[in-house]
Amino acid sequence: GAVVSQHPSWVICKSGTSVKIECRSLDFQATTMFWYRQFPKQSLMLMATSNEGSKATYEQGVEKDKFLINHASLTLSTLTVTSAHPEDSSFYICSARWAGNSYEQYFGPGTRLTVT
Amino acid sequence: DAKTTQPPSMDCAEGRAANLPCNHSTISGNEYVYWYRQIHSQGPQYIIHGLKNNETNEMASLIITEDRKSSTLILPHATLRDTAVYYCIVRVHGSGNTGKLIFGQGTTLQVKP
Repeated sequence: GAVVSQHPSWVICKSGTSVKIECRSLDFQATTMFWYRQFPKQSLMLMATSNEGSKATYEQGVEKDKFLINHASLTLSTLTVTSAHPEDSSFYICSARWAGNSYEQYFGPGTRLTVT
Repeated sequence: DAKTTQPPSMDCAEGRAANLPCNHSTISGNEYVYWYRQIHSQGPQYIIHGLKNNETNEMASLIITEDRKSSTLILPHATLRDTAVYYCIVRVHGSGNTGKLIFGQGTTLQVKP
């Protein structure tokens, strides 16, 4: 099946700094990528949908100025958590699909962010 | 997209079939039923999907009731590696569909030796 990678797999940063998480589709062109956040013992919560070359569409309640999403190429999307605070500590997961397949969505392994 | 209801947890003996139910009584005619699972601290993994006919693949079988208001995911011979949270999701296909998946709370399946 198609492979989606994320980098880094875990990151620790200090409060007030920004951190960038990369999501790559390794063997297909991802026309759409999705970003999720998951707190401990909770389900995945969709943050935003990004289509290549377009601005991301954010879910209600997600601050677009805090969670910057860039999808500049068909194989790479980035999520930047700006001015991170301890409450932003979470598991961030991306997924990707291509236009030719409306059925499956492939998920990355996730990035564990800890803000101290 | 229609809402789904799943039991919060289930146990299954290793080697036995695991039957995970899902209720989606408000499903509309153009919504598919999807199943994903998430093993601890990993990204979700696609299992299977269907519209109205029963489906089977190398991982599992999906049984959808005739009225489509509920479905059951069957893992025929559960192993310890099948311990995970299983999510049942309904969504629309086709043009105009954003493709986004809305995850509920899922069922935590614990496979025991």
